[in-house]
Amino acid sequence: GESVGLHLPTLSVQEGDNSIINCAYSNSASDYFIWYKQESGKGPQFIIDIRSNMDKRQGQRVTVLLNKTVKHLSLQIAATQPGDSAVYFCAENSGGGADGLTFGKGTHLIIQP
Amino acid sequence: GAGVSQSPSNKVTEKGKDVELRCDPISGHTALYWYRQSLGQGLEFLIYFQGNSAPDKSGLPSDRFSAERTGGSVSTLTIQRTQQEDSAVYLCASSPSGTGLRSGNTIYFGEGSWLTVV
Repeated sequence: GESVGLHLPTLSVQEGDNSIINCAYSNSASDYFIWYKQESGKGPQFIIDIRSNMDKRQGQRVTVLLNKTVKHLSLQIAATQPGDSAVYFCAENSGGGADGLTFGKGTHLIIQP
Repeated sequence: GAGVSQSPSNKVTEKGKDVELRCDPISGHTALYWYRQSLGQGLEFLIYFQGNSAPDKSGLPSDRFSAERTGGSVSTLTIQRTQQEDSAVYLCASSPSGTGLRSGNTIYFGEGSWLTVV
């Protein structure tokens, strides 16, 4: 089975609200994590990454939190906008897969007006 | 080029025909990856090239699938005797250095080649 999984396949939030997308991983040796955004008909786009020696990293309107104790990763998007509607994938560098990168199935985030 | 370029962007082919999908990675990137994405699904790893090393083919689903990378740059993914279950988006990605993933260098994706087998 996959070592990376997502709790919710679809998440619907009101425009302007904050959203949280969760991801669980099983390989405690994973040392690098990435969040990707994939809009309809396009390839995945890098959003933000975090190394295992960090608990939190912030970008523009996005924050990634890493809880190594429970092997949980989350992506927080503040003040969501219609353009945030997309599928969000987490990926971990676990030593398997392509150069160690394993992707989860993705969460579809829907921003409602 | 500025980003990873893939062609064709869309391909409809008849069952049993062979198809070739092309990927032109970001200039200077030594690592190149192919993934497959079925409708509503995640990314399925197919094959990985890193410099002049032997490629990691562990993700290829059958011997009908093969890939080459010429001159350490452009790559071609070939699917022989296509089947309907091969219908998917085929994504190519590149990174500056494969091992750089452990140092925080991410991979960059192309827009994908949408393959439909009828």
